[in-house]
Amino acid sequence: NAGVTQTPKFQVLKTGQSMTLQCAQDMNHNSMYWYRQDPGMGLRLIYYSASEGTTDKGEVPNGYNVSRLNKREFSLRLESAAPSQTSVYFCASSGVTGLGNYGYTFGSGTRLTVV
Amino acid sequence: EDQVTQSPEALRLQEGESSSLNCSYTVSGLRGLFWYRQDPGKGPEFLFTLYSAGEEKEKERLKATLTKKESFLHITAPKPEDSATYLCAGGDSNYQLIWGAGTKLIIKP
Repeated sequence: NAGVTQTPKFQVLKTGQSMTLQCAQDMNHNSMYWYRQDPGMGLRLIYYSASEGTTDKGEVPNGYNVSRLNKREFSLRLESAAPSQTSVYFCASSGVTGLGNYGYTFGSGTRLTVV
Repeated sequence: EDQVTQSPEALRLQEGESSSLNCSYTVSGLRGLFWYRQDPGKGPEFLFTLYSAGEEKEKERLKATLTKKESFLHITAPKPEDSATYLCAGGDSNYQLIWGAGTKLIIKP
């Protein structure tokens, strides 16, 4: 099925460990996004890529880095994980540079726990 | 500062009991008000986009409306399968989405 695929689905890290969250979309979308979702809060934008070759910081970029590997793939890296980064991470994509009529298409998420 | 606030945080209804979810927004240069549904363990799934005050959109038992300050998601005669968290988001002047925290809707049979 067409859509946004995230790996892994679950991950437990120790404080200070690093990891990369992978995201791929097969809808030929230009824009891709990384969000985190915490209980009682709205989705918060970490980084986004408006088009292949560009990346920009969102609302909460500290402690993260991203790579837009090609048009399909957008990865999120935690260099030194901290307990405050325990969250559910969602990747999303959009077919237009703006929002269009359909907003974003989301993956199913990565549930990360940092102990 | 742009902000989107949803109420109530949670809503429990009996099957068939109609109600409304509220989304209040202060987003300058609003570029669309978006409604999504999120099931447990899944990512948000798009429902509606509204662009101007007075606009309404319907899908099955759901109807979304928009005023200059609020959006409502009306649910008519809900079924247990309508249980989910409903998220709203406003598109800001930079074409980014400002998200509310969501309303968890529980429909009891």
